Amino acid sequence: AQSVTQPDIHITVSEGASLELRCNYSYGATPYLFWYVQSPGQGLQLLLKYFSGDTLVQGIKGFEAEFKRSQSSFNLRKPSVHWSDAAEYFCAVALNSGYSTLTFGKGTMLLVSP
Amino acid sequence: GAVVSQHPSWVICKSGTSVKIECRSLDFQATTMFWYRQFPKQSLMLMATSNEGSKATYEQGVEKDKFLINHASLTLSTLTVTSAHPEDSSFYICSARLSRRRVHEQYFGPGTRLTVT
Repeated sequence: AQSVTQPDIHITVSEGASLELRCNYSYGATPYLFWYVQSPGQGLQLLLKYFSGDTLVQGIKGFEAEFKRSQSSFNLRKPSVHWSDAAEYFCAVALNSGYSTLTFGKGTMLLVSP
Repeated sequence: GAVVSQHPSWVICKSGTSVKIECRSLDFQATTMFWYRQFPKQSLMLMATSNEGSKATYEQGVEKDKFLINHASLTLSTLTVTSAHPEDSSFYICSARLSRRRVHEQYFGPGTRLTVT
């Protein structure tokens, strides 16, 4: 069965500093890959997704992620973090079929210090 | 963008009672809806998938008689926790897809916090 690992439970970053959140997956083939953000009182919002093609994916709010097949990773990055980015971030995978369901990692809580 | 709402946002009930949570797609028709359960510091665990007009498909280990799911229309799905116990306390999140085959167009509600006393 596919699985997703987010090794960092929480990360603290200074405002204006760069950010990288790690995500590794375990699956026999390249799955569809997603990053979601969850803010209190709001539903999960899709930041970006990778299906195929260019391994560097641009998303909303200035986020990007890079798919590395050799490392089974899909790390999320942002060059300069804003205080409003403080939230919980979930990496998710799905079988490479539109009918498939999402499998989520345990999430990484991002704290932004002034 | 597509919006999914849940009601109530939080509920407290007594052990042994039942509670219903509603999930609505506000500006689109959702042929497929999902119910997740989220524990603190844990990932979202898929409980069941429901397609409009048909019975829900439950994930392994989820008691279908305890967690009743109804997807009676293209904009509404309900989750009823029957004979609730304290261990059912959790954060329940629904999600809706524009169509069954569009995993990348899945939209999430804000969640419902259930506390069973």
